[in-house]
Amino acid sequence: SQQGEEDPQALSIQEGENATMNCSYKTSINNLQWYRQNSGRGLVHLILIRSNEREKHSGRLRVTLDTSKKSSSLLITASRAADTASYFCAPSNDYKLSFGAGTTVTVRA
Amino acid sequence: GAVVSQHPSWVICKSGTSVKIECRSLDFQATTMFWYRQFPKQSLMLMATSNEGSKATYEQGVEKDKFLINHASLTLSTLTVTSAHPEDSSFYICSAGRGAGLTYEQYFGPGTRLTVT
Repeated sequence: SQQGEEDPQALSIQEGENATMNCSYKTSINNLQWYRQNSGRGLVHLILIRSNEREKHSGRLRVTLDTSKKSSSLLITASRAADTASYFCAPSNDYKLSFGAGTTVTVRA
Repeated sequence: GAVVSQHPSWVICKSGTSVKIECRSLDFQATTMFWYRQFPKQSLMLMATSNEGSKATYEQGVEKDKFLINHASLTLSTLTVTSAHPEDSSFYICSAGRGAGLTYEQYFGPGTRLTVT
């Protein structure tokens, strides 16, 4: 397995603004998954993007993948207070996932 | 679809006792499940991979005799923390894998907060 590294470590935005976070990884992947974790809770699966895809949308989420740069980004549009959470990326080339420190997003009302 | 449950959601036990945590995939079959632990304000650390019908594979540094894993069916894996000590207090999260190759995904349970007194 390989670990994704999220950037920035923390992000504070005003409600209604967009939030963008990035993920970098080191080797080839089959897919990359993004998860959200609210404090003290389990991980919620947000979106999976396959290695042969470049962009994917799900509601207010937009994920891009650049396999040549070994990087992905997650954009949350029109953020809400409920989006306050930690976000993790998980690149996968086998069946194990390894997590970085995540990006902690705080949405201010 | 793809719901994973854990039970209990929290447990307090005395030092020296054993605690069993269950992980179930509710609407899909999972040949492989995973157990993680997470300390406050830290990331998830993979402890072991649980394979249905065979022995679990433990990550380096994880004591297999202390963290017993059983994957008895395609929808249930259990983690037993034996002879628990205060340093075992943590947030334990399981996940279940679905699909293969490009479409392989892991879905996570809500976690179990273990406090050893």
